[in-house]
Amino acid sequence: DTEVTQTPKHLVMGMTNKKSLKCEQHMGHRAMYWYKQKAKKPPELMFVYSYEKLSINESVPSRFSPECPNSSLLNLHLHALQPEDSALYLCASSQGAGNEQFFGPGTRLTVL
Amino acid sequence: AQSVTQLDSQVPVFEEAPVELRCNYSSSVSVYLFWYVQYPNQGLQLLLKYLSGSTLVKGINGFEAEFNKSQTSFHLRKPSVHISDTAEYFCAVLPGGYQKVTFGIGTKLQVIP
Repeated sequence: DTEVTQTPKHLVMGMTNKKSLKCEQHMGHRAMYWYKQKAKKPPELMFVYSYEKLSINESVPSRFSPECPNSSLLNLHLHALQPEDSALYLCASSQGAGNEQFFGPGTRLTVL
Repeated sequence: AQSVTQLDSQVPVFEEAPVELRCNYSSSVSVYLFWYVQYPNQGLQLLLKYLSGSTLVKGINGFEAEFNKSQTSFHLRKPSVHISDTAEYFCAVLPGGYQKVTFGIGTKLQVIP
């Protein structure tokens, strides 16, 4: 299995909702990442987990809360988001934190 | 700190013509270099990578890139493009021993029939 999967594919939520994005990989990778990508821009790193521990938080607002329940799963919990948080959220994984990253298809998030 | 410059935001090219997408980088340490492709409404797919060794790197879909240390460049080339190559292409650099990849702003390749 050489895929990174993400669910849901699309998500529409109101500013008072709580939702979660999910990411899964079965490649035995020990580093996992969340990125945010706005239209016509490169991905921006949000969080890095290495061996299930948060190793990088790029000063992301607390309304985004990552969680790594095990080495194969990565969640992003969303609460009280703003319309400007609408974007494509990409998950990636790599064998180690210094190796090439493999990306999932993304979740297209719209905040109303 | 490191940076990546993709000089061309858009590159139009006729089908079956060759193409070169340019990428220059700066870093105070040795780096790994990558090219990713992103089709509309999809994630990023790794096209090719340079870690060490031969400076000419071959990737998927007929693409290749050459690492030039003296010019700090990693240009992507394809001898004959196809309509299906229309996509956004991102050059990326990862300093050795670091966790954070730096992406260029992307180059939109538009293949004209």
